[in-house]
Amino acid sequence: DSGVTQTPKHLITATGQRVTLRCSPRSGDLSVYWYQQSLDQGLQFLIQYYNGEERAKGNILERFSAQQFPDLHSELNLSSLELGDSALYFCASSATPGSPLHFGNGTRLTVT
Amino acid sequence: GIQVEQSPPDLILQEGANSTLRCNFSDSVNNLQWFHQNPWGQLINLFYIPSGTKQNGRLSATTVATERYSLLYISSSQTTDSGVYFCAVGETSGSRLTFGEGTQLTVNP
Repeated sequence: DSGVTQTPKHLITATGQRVTLRCSPRSGDLSVYWYQQSLDQGLQFLIQYYNGEERAKGNILERFSAQQFPDLHSELNLSSLELGDSALYFCASSATPGSPLHFGNGTRLTVT
Repeated sequence: GIQVEQSPPDLILQEGANSTLRCNFSDSVNNLQWFHQNPWGQLINLFYIPSGTKQNGRLSATTVATERYSLLYISSSQTTDSGVYFCAVGETSGSRLTFGEGTQLTVNP
């Protein structure tokens, strides 16, 4: 068990809908990262937070947004969902930016 | 951005065999990590190894940063070693990690 908790494990929704994925980092970790894993794109970095502040942005669509709260948990919001958004979404945390990364078990999103 | 290439893309072994997985990267890095994604999709951090050599049981890793590559050695492979092995690099110590495409390892009994 990595200590990173992601909910829900599975999510099935329809095109055009909005969903929220939740992540609780390992105790003591200040950095949270979101990654998307799809069959044709591999593991793609979406966004990183450090101690509540956005630190780096990757290939995150404008329809997606995220935030890290004062208690350090993070949420990834996906809106106007399309079929192509179906993927495994991972949250990861580290003590500080650049230190070893630990992943949650992921949320499998299916858009129908 | 930095490019990460892993080889081989696929590897099939008999239980007990040894293997070497390679990760090449296109630019200087200050952060390199190896991960194992098991058949259930879980991503496990194996090594944090921006340079030098580390060992953890049957697994060891070596990074030669000046030559821009890292190697992951698996000895006496077991069926539980099956899955995808990813190399991920960061250009600076605090930058985000860029993942390679992975090596799909299958260990047969």
